[in-house]
Amino acid sequence: GQQLNQSPQSMFIQEGEDVSMNCTSSSIFNTWLWYKQDPGEGPVLLIALYKAGELTSNGRLTAQFGITRKDSFLNISASIPSDVGIYFCAGLVGGGSEKLVFGKGTKLTVNP
Amino acid sequence: EAQVTQNPRYLITVTGKKLTVTCSQNMNHEYMSWYRQDPGLGLRQIYYSMNVEVTDKGDVPEGYKVSRKEKRNFPLILESPSPNQTSLYFCASRRLGTGAYEQYFGPGTRLTVT
Repeated sequence: GQQLNQSPQSMFIQEGEDVSMNCTSSSIFNTWLWYKQDPGEGPVLLIALYKAGELTSNGRLTAQFGITRKDSFLNISASIPSDVGIYFCAGLVGGGSEKLVFGKGTKLTVNP
Repeated sequence: EAQVTQNPRYLITVTGKKLTVTCSQNMNHEYMSWYRQDPGLGLRQIYYSMNVEVTDKGDVPEGYKVSRKEKRNFPLILESPSPNQTSLYFCASRRLGTGAYEQYFGPGTRLTVT
């Protein structure tokens, strides 16, 4: 089945630094989603991407849908302590299955 | 407030004792799904439902059952829990259709089977 390779697995950064993470796959996806999970809570949607090549921002977050439709990246600029959490990418499988395939997550730690 | 609720939030049980985790959403969403989250394995889909009385297996359905008798509710049933079902479980829901991929997650249910 479809798999998403998300990297890095974890990151330790200083407050104020920029962060970049990505997801790749050998499969094509019609939609890419980026979620954040705070400790003890469910994932919350950050950004949704619907077209190949699309670049979308949400505050300090920027995400892009790769041209090949097999990859996506998420950037966080000027990180702050509340950015701590696990970030997941998810790809929507086409063909009417409505299935979301999730990456294994990037755990972000921000040191004040 | 639009939300997905799950109960209980925490559950400790013994092997073989049937249990049900409830899930309810107040957004009139067609699609509902159950996931389990385990360290290093990410979110894995257990079962999903595209509408009332329509359910299908996800990637890890063994040992689980679901039902969708009402649009808002999607309970997860473990008929005979085993220790390998110790995990963090999430229910999720969303609309179906183009551009409707904002999937809402519940707060999670942490299950321990001894």
